[in-house]
This record gives sequence, structure tokens and C-alpha cells, in this order.
Amino acid sequence: AQKITQTQPGMFVQEKEAVTLDCTYDTSDPSYGLFWYKQPSSGEMIFLIYQGSYDQQNATEGRYSLNFQKARKSANLVISASQLGDSAMYFCAMREGTQGGSEKLVFGKGMKLTVNP
Amino acid sequence: KAGVTQTPRYLIKTRGQQVTLSCSPISGHRSVSWYQQTPGQGLQFLFEYFSETQRNKGNFPGRFSGRQFSNSRSEMNVSTLELGDSALYLCASSLRSGGEENIQYFGAGTRLSVL
Repeated sequence: AQKITQTQPGMFVQEKEAVTLDCTYDTSDPSYGLFWYKQPSSGEMIFLIYQGSYDQQNATEGRYSLNFQKARKSANLVISASQLGDSAMYFCAMREGTQGGSEKLVFGKGMKLTVNP
Repeated sequence: KAGVTQTPRYLIKTRGQQVTLSCSPISGHRSVSWYQQTPGQGLQFLFEYFSETQRNKGNFPGRFSGRQFSNSRSEMNVSTLELGDSALYLCASSLRSGGEENIQYFGAGTRLSVL
């Protein structure tokens, strides 16, 4: 069963606008972590933001925030004030059994964001 | 502080050969995980090493193996290469502190082409 779903294959946004990237997940484990990574054309996966399953508040890191809706099993990434350098592939990922368990990350298929000047 | 370093960045091999990829983790990180990225299958977990022991393994054939050294550096080996092994191989390191917020940091990857 697919555990991470990213349904938007690609999005276009104007520079300085905000954009939301969708991610839904599926797990029966009560303890899990959700991650967003950015992958520019160079290939390196860059960590953006983390949300734990027990976190009461949505995570924020600079221009990135995570809209975590646990009941709906969604973890959408919001990028405020888009910049040209934000153009990249974005991946949502999940790690189950975070209490000393596996390091294995399960990734979604990713989505391509293009920021236009 | 240096990031995760993967060498080489690019490799071209022919079918049937074997290949070894190297990964040096962030200083202080003792866990190293490997992932394969292909256009068709996306990002898939290969295995994780911690304290020189394989802790977890993904669903890959035995041709894919790895090891970790006492300084936490890790190598991944693929024997009897097949065309389908052409991929970007990413290595990630983490503290594996046991807490929830245990972030994996990735290297730039090794792009393997099998001809």
C-alpha cells in the first residue's frame, strides 16, 4: 500500500507568492515522523522541515511551514514568498516507529515546483 | 562542519561488472542509510548501518551489499551489474539518537550508469 501520496506532479508559482505542496500519508503506527526534502537538479536531497506525530503545533523553519492535520493524515508544505532558487523537486517522506526504531524513510513520488520571475 | 560526502559522483560501468560506492557521514553521525533513486521506482531504501552492523534492509536482491567501518564511513557494493541498476544512489547520515526528531542528511549522490 502506498504510504506517502503526492498527487501534484508539477506546480508553477510566481516569485514572491506563497505555494502549498500537498502530502497525505498512511500508517497504523502511533509514532511517526514526517519530513520534507528539496532536490535541486544537482541531485542532493536537502532537508527542509520535520513534524513529529505527537507535536501539538505545526512546524516552521524560516519560509517553510508544515500544515499538519493528523486526523486527515495530511502534512502539506507551505513555502511563503517563493524565490527563484526554490525551483526543484520536493519530496514528502515518513519514518515509522520513531521510538528507537528503523531509520528507513518512505518517500512520495515527489512534485516539481517551478518559480517564475 | 562538513556534510555527507559521496564518492565518486559519477560512474559508468558495463553489465556484469561490480561497483563500490563510498559515503562519509557528517562528523559525529553513526548511522548511514543508502537509497536508490530511479525515474520509475522513485526513492527506495536499500539498507542502514549503525555501529558497523546492518540494522535494516530494504527489498533488494543480495547483489546489493554494504558495510560500515569503525569511523562510520560506509561502502555499498553492487555485484553483477544489470541495466536496471542505473540510478542515483544517495547516502544519508544521522545521529540515530532514538528520539523522534532524528534527521537524515543526504549527500549529493553517486550517479551510476550501466551500459
